[in-house]
Amino acid sequence: DVKVTQSSRYLVKRTGEKVFLECVQDMDHENMFWYRQDPGLGLRLIYFSYDVKMKEKGDIPEGYSVSREKKERFSLILESASTNQTSMYLCASSLFSSGSINTGELFFGEGSRLTVL
Amino acid sequence: AQSVTQPDIHITVSEGASLELRCNYSYGATPYLFWYVQSPGQGLQLLLKYFSGDTLVQGIKGFEAEFKRSQSSFNLRKPSVHWSDAAEYFCAVGAFKMYSGGGADGLTFGKGTHLIIQP
Repeated sequence: DVKVTQSSRYLVKRTGEKVFLECVQDMDHENMFWYRQDPGLGLRLIYFSYDVKMKEKGDIPEGYSVSREKKERFSLILESASTNQTSMYLCASSLFSSGSINTGELFFGEGSRLTVL
Repeated sequence: AQSVTQPDIHITVSEGASLELRCNYSYGATPYLFWYVQSPGQGLQLLLKYFSGDTLVQGIKGFEAEFKRSQSSFNLRKPSVHWSDAAEYFCAVGAFKMYSGGGADGLTFGKGTHLIIQP
């Protein structure tokens, strides 16, 4: 079965702390994504990566950075957490296959709910 | 740029009644369309998807959706809802973009419809 695992389901941090959210997928997918989910705003793309050490900004990258040192792992980093980063964070992955139809179907983790005090 | 509109923020349906959740999209080419469901505190699970071919697609849990190109719609339906269907439902369109290194950016999601089931 397809599996995307987010290491922390719930985190509570203080303003100014550095926060790491880890995501691992076991499907050998090329693409990995970090979304943020807020009530009334739906899912918004923060960053994505289509290969090791490659990253692209999404719609709301400010205040975030990412790291992808291995194909299966994609980390979201909040260098200095702020209260407006309190949210649900969702990691996802998708397959890219050269020469085949790529639909963009996403496989999601369970989410990490971050509270910044 | 692509966009997705889910006009209904909340919908309340009686258990056993039929359901239709609306989704309209804007996309320049033939879209890839998806419906996801999210139970409270969980990640998103794929219900169904449309790529091409038959415009009526069947999904899991008894859901179906119909792609109507002329209306730019992809509405989700279920003939008889169960209390366990109470959840958040998201429509999404594939924004497929090629990069030099391969890969694609993510799906574009609507803001979701919260489904409430009345006993």
